[in-house]
Amino acid sequence: DTAVSQTPKYLVTQMGNDKSIKCEQNLGHDTMYWYKQDSKKFLKIMFSYNNKELIINETVPNRFSPKSPDKAHLNLHINSLELGDSAVYFCASSQEGWGGSLADTQYFGPGTRLTVL
Amino acid sequence: RKEVEQDPGPFNVPEGATVAFNCTYSNSASQSFFWYRQDCRKEPKLLMSVYSSGNEDGRFTAQLNRASQYISLLIRDSKLSDSATYLCVAHTGRRALTFGSGTRLQVQP
Repeated sequence: DTAVSQTPKYLVTQMGNDKSIKCEQNLGHDTMYWYKQDSKKFLKIMFSYNNKELIINETVPNRFSPKSPDKAHLNLHINSLELGDSAVYFCASSQEGWGGSLADTQYFGPGTRLTVL
Repeated sequence: RKEVEQDPGPFNVPEGATVAFNCTYSNSASQSFFWYRQDCRKEPKLLMSVYSSGNEDGRFTAQLNRASQYISLLIRDSKLSDSATYLCVAHTGRRALTFGSGTRLQVQP
């Protein structure tokens, strides 16, 4: 009964490859997110979706493309992987996300550790 | 200037000690605030929300000072299991959380 799940947990791949990370939440939340945590442990928002609609698209290379087939899933596809893409990628979800209430509390998946060789 | 700033630490304290972390945020439009805890190689987990009036949950007390734009977390009677990185988080109303870089706490026996 995992609330937010991600697959795979570890991903090791060569530069130039294309890979996808999947995320699913069974909390009935409306908003889902992708974060990147780099080697300095800084956690930064990449994308946010609300009910399958893209809400936030931070300054992320267009090699990164999120896809939300339904509001319980938010997948991340990465084209032409580069060494600098190595990081831990966290998916998260929240009931709302507007700010100002406990409904903004975000629940994180276990993370996907991506290593690009 | 980072939107949310924290002292990275590490804070090395003996068991039973009281330790306090401070955090400042730059966006005065920030509406809600949280402390998350992250263990090594794990995902961040909500520790507590932070209310203007201050709130307490067992050994943990969080305070928010909007005028000075800082948030604090006090941990009393530290346990070994409190060793982790504590992330200060602000919500700016853009449907995303802004995280500080975290303060590492190491509680020693």
